[in-house]
Amino acid sequence: EPEVTQTPSHQVTQMGQEVILRCVPISNHLYFYWYRQILGQKVEFLVSFYNNEISEKSEIFDDQFSVERPDGSNFTLKIRSTKLEDSAMYFCASREAGGSYEQFFGPGTRLTVL
Amino acid sequence: AQTVTQSQPEMSVQEAETVTLSCTYDTSESNYYLFWYKQPPSRQMILVIRQEAYKQQNATENRFSVNFQKAAKSFSLKISDSQLGDTAMYFCAFMKHEGAQKLVFGQGTRLTINP
Repeated sequence: EPEVTQTPSHQVTQMGQEVILRCVPISNHLYFYWYRQILGQKVEFLVSFYNNEISEKSEIFDDQFSVERPDGSNFTLKIRSTKLEDSAMYFCASREAGGSYEQFFGPGTRLTVL
Repeated sequence: AQTVTQSQPEMSVQEAETVTLSCTYDTSESNYYLFWYKQPPSRQMILVIRQEAYKQQNATENRFSVNFQKAAKSFSLKISDSQLGDTAMYFCAFMKHEGAQKLVFGQGTRLTINP
């Protein structure tokens, strides 16, 4: 069964460093999302991406964040200068056009900023 | 803006019992979707069940069913014959029909099934 994959599973970085979180969505999906979950809290929407551009972003998604689909299969989230409060689980999700509107989630990347 | 509220932070039942998780939401939209996601200790988000707001019939998936009350903006999840593998965080989520269709999640309910 097709699935969304994410790498790495755990990333540890120093405050101020840049990180890139990688996702491979399901191949025929056209809508892509990033969410984050700070430990013990609810899942929060960061950004959605469709047709090679951002379609919506939340207040959390400031200038330090960017997304890219560099090669038609990967979908990346870059944080330019990490802060302590960026420590969270980051989930990628994708869905097909129309259909059931179900978003399929990847297993997540745990980001720890020291 | 849409909000989703889950008023039960934790619940605990015995194996084989039936349990109901509550969810309310606030929206001015008339067409939308509602979901229940399960997050086991592995942290992966797994879709349990979904409901289209235009459908009056409550969705059912095996042991899982919902009670969708559109006027009351309520969307509860019933788990029948609960199993140890049902132990997880459960998140209620809302999605507008139009737009980027992001998911708006509630705070979650931690459900423990005891042997």
